[in-house]
Amino acid sequence: NAGVTQTPKFQVLKTGQSMTLQCAQDMNHNSMYWYRQDPGMGLRLIYYSASEGTTDKGEVPNGYNVSRLNKREFSLRLESAAPSQTSVYFCASSSPRPPGLGEETQYFGPGTRLLVL
Amino acid sequence: LAKTTQPISMDSYEGQEVNITCSHNNIATNDYITWYQQFPSQGPRFIIQGYKTKVTNEVASLFIPADRKSSTLSLPRVSLSDTAVYYCLGTGGGNKLTFGTGTQLKVEL
Repeated sequence: NAGVTQTPKFQVLKTGQSMTLQCAQDMNHNSMYWYRQDPGMGLRLIYYSASEGTTDKGEVPNGYNVSRLNKREFSLRLESAAPSQTSVYFCASSSPRPPGLGEETQYFGPGTRLLVL
Repeated sequence: LAKTTQPISMDSYEGQEVNITCSHNNIATNDYITWYQQFPSQGPRFIIQGYKTKVTNEVASLFIPADRKSSTLSLPRVSLSDTAVYYCLGTGGGNKLTFGTGTQLKVEL
């Protein structure tokens, strides 16, 4: 199992350019997430998808769009990149645990480092 | 979601036991306490989760007192490879996680 994979690993963009960050998981998880992490900060949720065909905004959705292409794939799109979007982007996935066995835990990908000039 | 407070940083030496305490005064009845570990240039990794009393796995132990207003992550006999950021989260009733800035643990020889 590869777990959660992300492409690309690193990207440099100019202000105003667009790009799509790709994420895929092979654990048959229902839920998928996109986070950003700025230097010295914790992770902040951008968007999440509780199941195939649904997406919801997280804490910092402005400037981003997402697509849950199928159960395995969840992409994040920057339509017009800004320097404030320079960050490390993490994708994660999870599935609920049986009742009484705790809350679902999230599995994270290796991250995409994005630099917007 | 519970707001958690934990120390910004801790230092230790190899072979010592490290205890990281997290405060979560407003934890909800259905919230679990979950800890994640993050190495530099990697995504966070789940370590341990508990609701009350003590939970132990191959990596760590988690102590949660009866009032559940705090919890302590215990790492036995740390090594250099345990140098990482450790996040304490209150999780319950959904799948949105709120990560604070975590505790930067530095282990030295």
